[in-house]
Amino acid sequence: QQQVKQSPQSLIVQKGGIPIINCAYENTAFDYFPWYQQFPGKGPALLIAIRPDVSEKKEGRFTISFNKSAKQFSLHIMDSQPGDSATYFCAAFSYNTDKLIFGTGTRLQVFP
Amino acid sequence: NAGVMQNPRHLVRRRGQEARLRCSPMKGHSHVYWYRQLPEEGLKFMVYLQKENIIDESGMPKERFSAEFPKEGPSILRIQQVVRGDSAAYFCASSLTGNYNEQFFGPGTRLTVL
Repeated sequence: QQQVKQSPQSLIVQKGGIPIINCAYENTAFDYFPWYQQFPGKGPALLIAIRPDVSEKKEGRFTISFNKSAKQFSLHIMDSQPGDSATYFCAAFSYNTDKLIFGTGTRLQVFP
Repeated sequence: NAGVMQNPRHLVRRRGQEARLRCSPMKGHSHVYWYRQLPEEGLKFMVYLQKENIIDESGMPKERFSAEFPKEGPSILRIQQVVRGDSAAYFCASSLTGNYNEQFFGPGTRLTVL
């Protein structure tokens, strides 16, 4: 059974803090590991993604760290802002199935 | 260029009624995916369709649920004889090629079963 486990379920930080969200997967057949951001009442939007042969990827204030041997990856948000308050989902994608498998989500609140 | 459109945005049904959820993909997109999101949970894959074909329905409950993506018109997710456990947000995503980075999500339909 393909699964992606995500933690924590919720996270509260102050503005400027660096929230870290962790995910772990079981199946080694995934080709990409994207992260999605979802605001209340909206659909998820792609934030950043990483291939399994890369250990780190940065896009603006968002960084993915990837540990292939441990089958774990994490999202770091530098200098977090109240506007970053949203639910974040990690996911795993396989070109073989064209299917996204989502984690359970982390609700992030950034206080001023 | 309009994004993925879903309607209705909110749907209320009584137990036993039918629910029809519509998804209009982005212009030119021929791949459609349906996901279900239960409260406080992630999105669960339900079905993957291309025009007139069901490619993967491994996430669809075997009974009461069906999906189609006709040659003309929106993709439809149909839930017959709804039960309270069907209450959820249903999202569709469309894609030009099926790649993850080209799956754009709609705003979702929130189904409430009374």
